[in-house]
Amino acid sequence: VQLVQSGAEVKKPGSSVKVSCKASGGSFSRYAISWVRQAPGQGLEWMGGVVPFFGTADNAQKFQGRVTITADESTNTAYMELSGLRSEDTAVYYCARSTGSGSYYEGYNYYYMDVWGKGTTVTVSS
Amino acid sequence: EIVLTQSPGTLSLSPGERATLSCRASQSVSSNYLAWYQQKPGQAPRLLIYGASSRATGIPDRFSGSGSGSDFTLSISRLEPEDFAVYYCQQYGSSPLTFGGGTKVEIK
Repeated sequence: VQLVQSGAEVKKPGSSVKVSCKASGGSFSRYAISWVRQAPGQGLEWMGGVVPFFGTADNAQKFQGRVTITADESTNTAYMELSGLRSEDTAVYYCARSTGSGSYYEGYNYYYMDVWGKGTTVTVSS
Repeated sequence: EIVLTQSPGTLSLSPGERATLSCRASQSVSSNYLAWYQQKPGQAPRLLIYGASSRATGIPDRFSGSGSGSDFTLSISRLEPEDFAVYYCQQYGSSPLTFGGGTKVEIK
C-alpha cells in the first residue's frame, strides 16, 4: 500500500488547513493512521492518529483543540485539519500507517509507523 | 511524556566503519517499545527497527538494534554510502508517541 498526500498549501495566520492522505493499492482498514510533522530543519513530532475501523481518533495534548483527525473508510482516505494556524505551524506534515493494539472501549495504543506518505508542505505566512 | 535524548548529535565516519547511535529515555520504555527510523534529505522517514531489536521488512542485516529499559542503541556494522542520513528513535510504550532529536551520520 502507498499513502498519497494532498499538495502543498500556503495559509494565512489564523486560518485552517486540511491535509488528506489516501491509501493507494490497498486498504488501511486494519491499521491506524498517524500524523507526524517536521518543522524546517527540526525533528519529528507526533500529532495524533485515527483508527478507521473503530472510528476513533487521538491527539497529542499539545494540539488539543486545534487538530481534528478523521478517516473515511469508503474512500480509504484520512484527513488532518489544523486550525488557528501560526507561523510555527510551518512544516512538512506526514501521514503514516501505524500498527497498534487496543479496542474500541479500552482505547487504541499507537505503535511504530511502517508506511509513510511523501509529506505535505504547509507554509503559514501573512 | 517520555523525552528521548539521542547522542551524539553528529557522527562523522567513513564508509566501511561501524556506527553506534544512542537513544536514552527519561523513563523506562514499556515493553521495550522502541523504534528507529532513517531519514534522507527531502524524503519521509523509513522504519528500520521496531521492538528495540526487530528489523523491519527489507532492512539489511548490517542494521541492528539493542537495549532495554531506558537505554537503546542502533548499530550499523559497515557503513554503506547510502547509510549517511539522519536517524531518529521513537518510543511507543506510552502516549504521546515521542521521537528523539536525531543523530546525523555524515561522511568524514
